[in-house]
Amino acid sequence: ETGVTQSPTHLIKTRGQQVTLRCSSQSGHNTVSWYQQALGQGPQFIFQYYREEENGRGNFPPRFSGLQFPNYSSELNVNALELDDSALYLCATNPGRGGEETQYFGPGTRLLVL
Amino acid sequence: RKEVEQDPGPFNVPEGATVAFNCTYSNSASQSFFWYRQDCRKEPKLLMSVYSSGNEDGRFTAQLNRASQYISLLIRDSKLSDSATYLCVVGHNDMRFGAGTRLTVKP
Repeated sequence: ETGVTQSPTHLIKTRGQQVTLRCSSQSGHNTVSWYQQALGQGPQFIFQYYREEENGRGNFPPRFSGLQFPNYSSELNVNALELDDSALYLCATNPGRGGEETQYFGPGTRLLVL
Repeated sequence: RKEVEQDPGPFNVPEGATVAFNCTYSNSASQSFFWYRQDCRKEPKLLMSVYSSGNEDGRFTAQLNRASQYISLLIRDSKLSDSATYLCVVGHNDMRFGAGTRLTVKP
């Protein structure tokens, strides 16, 4: 087990709604990265937080936003949901700064946008 | 050009076969390299890190060629349980994943 949990496991939303996904990691994992994985694709990097500050961002629009909290939990917020946002959302954590070391993934949240 | 490109697959091999996956990456400043395994509807899990000197873990051997920006994974004596999608991952401040190569090992 990686010690990384995510909630909810599954979620159904309609286009235009907003969603908040949550991730909790083990103590000492200061970096959290969020990924979007569409069916049949590899995970795509959304953004990364280190000690509560954004530390890198992929090619995703501003309606994807995040937060990291001092208790090693984090959130991914997506506003104005679109059908193409349907995907598996993964968070991954590691102890150091930056995501170039081994990351430990949570089980993911499956989001379906109708 | 994608940042990380993998063999498109799928690979369908019999038990006991040797199979090789290839991967290329575009960012020459990349600092870390990994192979992750992802089972159907599960999260990716680290299979092994990849070093310039090459590294082996049982039936699995990974190689890195920085000059060619090329990474490989060799699986020997494949087992039914090796059936999964194999993701090539390259790190430089963050992780960039290939699209994955699906492997099915058949009896």
